[in-house]
Amino acid sequence: GAVVSQHPSRVICKSGTSVKIECRSLDFQATTMFWYRQFPKKSLMLMATSNEGSKATYEQGVEKDKFLINHASLTLSTLTVTSAHPEDSSFYICSARGSERGGVYEQYFGPGTRLTVT
Amino acid sequence: GENVEQHPSTLSVQEGDSAVIKCTYSDSASNYFPWYKQELGKRPQLIIDIRSNVGEKKDQRIAVTLNKTAKHFSLHITETQPEDSAVYFCAAKEGNNRLAFGKGNQVVVIP
Repeated sequence: GAVVSQHPSRVICKSGTSVKIECRSLDFQATTMFWYRQFPKKSLMLMATSNEGSKATYEQGVEKDKFLINHASLTLSTLTVTSAHPEDSSFYICSARGSERGGVYEQYFGPGTRLTVT
Repeated sequence: GENVEQHPSTLSVQEGDSAVIKCTYSDSASNYFPWYKQELGKRPQLIIDIRSNVGEKKDQRIAVTLNKTAKHFSLHITETQPEDSAVYFCAAKEGNNRLAFGKGNQVVVIP
């Protein structure tokens, strides 16, 4: 399958600071990238969908000013958690989909970022 | 929007036996159904998928069957091995091209 990387894998930050997470598609062009949040032993909660060069579409209940998403190129999307608080601590996973890999349906996930806000 | 339900939530099987996980979906327009395997602390990995123009797809020990009329699809794992232990998520593609995920199924293979 296609390869998606995510950086950093773990980050600990202080309350009130901002954290940027990068998601890269390494061997294909990702026309669409998705950002998910996953709580322990729970399913994947979609936060937002981004298409290259356009504004992200946020799911209901997700604050766009708190979770800034930038999809500047076909291989890179970033999620910035602004003014992080302990309740933002979670496992954040990106996913990428590209029409060049078997059609427009297949989504491949990054390894995730464990964010801990102290 | 699409509503995907997955059951059972937990499944324990003896090594060598078969495991079956079933998912139901609500939107008859959905036409793509992937299955992901997630091991603890790792990324979900696409293991098999099926499109609505096909009723069954097989890849070695895993297979997926789709019943469009009843709006359900199932993952079948034969000759289970300890490394099959993981959480399995089903999903269905919504009309807006996003995937709606089930809540996951914990499969435990007992050696």
